Amino acid sequence: DIQMTQSPSSLSASVGDRVTITCRASQNIGYYVNWYRQIPGKAPTLLIYSASSLQSGVPSRFRGSGYGTEFTLTISSLQPEDFASYYCQHTSSTLHAFGQGTKLEI
Amino acid sequence: QVHLQESGPGLVRPSETLSLTCTVSGDSVRSDYWSWIRQPPGKGLELIVYMYYSGDTIYNPSLKSRVTISVDSSKNQFSLKLTSVTAADTAMYYCARLGGNDLHNWFDPWGQGTLVTVSS
Repeated sequence: DIQMTQSPSSLSASVGDRVTITCRASQNIGYYVNWYRQIPGKAPTLLIYSASSLQSGVPSRFRGSGYGTEFTLTISSLQPEDFASYYCQHTSSTLHAFGQGTKLEI
Repeated sequence: QVHLQESGPGLVRPSETLSLTCTVSGDSVRSDYWSWIRQPPGKGLELIVYMYYSGDTIYNPSLKSRVTISVDSSKNQFSLKLTSVTAADTAMYYCARLGGNDLHNWFDPWGQGTLVTVSS
């Protein structure tokens, strides 16, 4: 099975900061990666699909990049609603595993 | 706009069967794949199962022996059954559409989730 490892597992930042979260795959998965944000107490929502495509309605401060085994999610200017957990997820094989998550705290 | 809503008991006794239903509006369960994902308290996301209306089904191997998923097109719903539950099955359970295009797919949208607690 393909494993997805996120780093860091937690991160502290301030409103207006730029932050980057990394997701590494245990094998080459092309650009079959999605990113989700989960605001506390809410369901996850899709931010980025296919490694770098911005989901409709998602602010442009979110940017995804990467190919193969290393992927990043960058938030260019943190807003209060961005203090949440973030998950990467691959769809390279039929078992669409998630990373373990990154908790972004103020 | 597509909307998903989970329903079912919030408390299940150990060794019994967890049963949940997801009602879909704004889309047909005859299209796309439909999935169940869970999240134990304070932990990450775990894919349980997803299926297409035609019957094509993918299970998480660790849960496969206990999981059944079904689709009821007349009610535009799909359902999850998880047998022989233990405290380890206590989690928020989400339903989600696995949509996308010919090359890629992704989970969107998600239901709001329903908390299921396994306890006597």
